[in-house]
Amino acid sequence: GNSVTQMEGPVTLSEEAFLTINCTYTATGYPSLFWYVQYPGEGLQLLLKATKADDKGSNKGFEATYRKETTSFHLEKGSVQVSDSAVYFCAFLSGGYNKLIFGAGTRLAVHP
Amino acid sequence: DAMVIQNPRYQVTQFGKPVTLSCSQTLNHNVMYWYQQKSSQAPKLLFHYYDKDFNNEADTPDNFQSRRPNTSFCFLDIRSPGLGDAAMYLCATSRDLVAGTWDPYEQYFGPGTRLTVT
Repeated sequence: GNSVTQMEGPVTLSEEAFLTINCTYTATGYPSLFWYVQYPGEGLQLLLKATKADDKGSNKGFEATYRKETTSFHLEKGSVQVSDSAVYFCAFLSGGYNKLIFGAGTRLAVHP
Repeated sequence: DAMVIQNPRYQVTQFGKPVTLSCSQTLNHNVMYWYQQKSSQAPKLLFHYYDKDFNNEADTPDNFQSRRPNTSFCFLDIRSPGLGDAAMYLCATSRDLVAGTWDPYEQYFGPGTRLTVT
């Protein structure tokens, strides 16, 4: 069935370190892919998205590339900041159906 | 700014006492969703409205109901809250499919209402 597998957290990094959070999905067809971020006590914010194979989504220094051959959508950032500390959710939407399928979330803690 | 608004941000209710959570949107989106997010878990879809058409997820308990009186507003009613219903409740909206395709639009989330059951 449809599912998203994310790297388990928490991920703890020092400021300016490189970040990778792995995400793979199991779905029918080629769904749109998303990364959402949730800051403490807040709702979800769309961080970036990609709607077709080889698309690269990017925002606020974060990037992720839609890899059809490996069914992956790994999130990367070259230099994290303390303000990036949050929970990151990988998700996809199946074509023709509006249900978002989320991964379990990865908590990121960035220390000065 | 166009947005999704949830009120209240924090709600405390007693065990078994009905409670209503509110969501409004200025995006004029035709689809509205309610998600339940328990601590350290992913959001779980409870139901969604496509215009006035209500779509319940198969595993959503009967204790949860929803109303959508117009395009802008959607309510989540919990008829008899139990301790296990304590969670963050997230409202989201989206447009429908991109015209002529099966591609859905992304969902925009409100800030959530944190429900405590005492």
